[in-house]
Amino acid sequence: GAGVSQSPSNKVTEKGKDVELRCDPISGHTALYWYRQRLGQGLEFLIYFQGNSAPDKSGLPSDRFSAERTGESVSTLTIQRTQQEDSAVYLCASSLETDFQYFGPGTRLTVL
Amino acid sequence: QKEVEQDPGPLSVPEGAIVSLNCTYSNSAFQYFMWYRQYSRKGPELLMYTYSSGNKEDGRFTAQVDKSSKYISLFIRDSQPSDSATYLCAMRRGSYIPTFGRGTSLIVHP
Repeated sequence: GAGVSQSPSNKVTEKGKDVELRCDPISGHTALYWYRQRLGQGLEFLIYFQGNSAPDKSGLPSDRFSAERTGESVSTLTIQRTQQEDSAVYLCASSLETDFQYFGPGTRLTVL
Repeated sequence: QKEVEQDPGPLSVPEGAIVSLNCTYSNSAFQYFMWYRQYSRKGPELLMYTYSSGNKEDGRFTAQVDKSSKYISLFIRDSQPSDSATYLCAMRRGSYIPTFGRGTSLIVHP
């Protein structure tokens, strides 16, 4: 596919469970970003990967959040012991090193 | 005060109107200014970008940057119902991670 893909598109989970969200960036894009978007709010930066550099984790809201990326391909965002306030749309974006971001469709997470 | 301020709206206009969407910012180091459009239940898509000050036109859309006032605008001429979406401004300096506004919801009614 030509664009950024994310899976699942929707995820409903129970409070306290762990969830994994997946992002497939555009082929060749070295940079990958995760954002959180709460209802009616802007984009909240979570984490940034650039090539083989150490990721910028400065936006992760707590140690329950973590992310990994394998080389310049797939990334997974893991939320442990989910809380109701984690309910949001999680967006992934990718870009060439100094180019503009292209976003995926997002994963809508609902924590009951 | 947030680094980028954007009125969330909603902004409701009749079809055919000229729409003006705006953001203000506080960081004078920002160099790249972007506008993203986000339809309901979709990811944002890059609409336009401008480097430094000035205007840029693309069809019915015009992006304007006034660095002296730290103010950017997106104008939409002859607005259509299909323009109904949330418009997010974003800006960055160099290769730094962009900072986004919270988005303005636009409704164009027939």
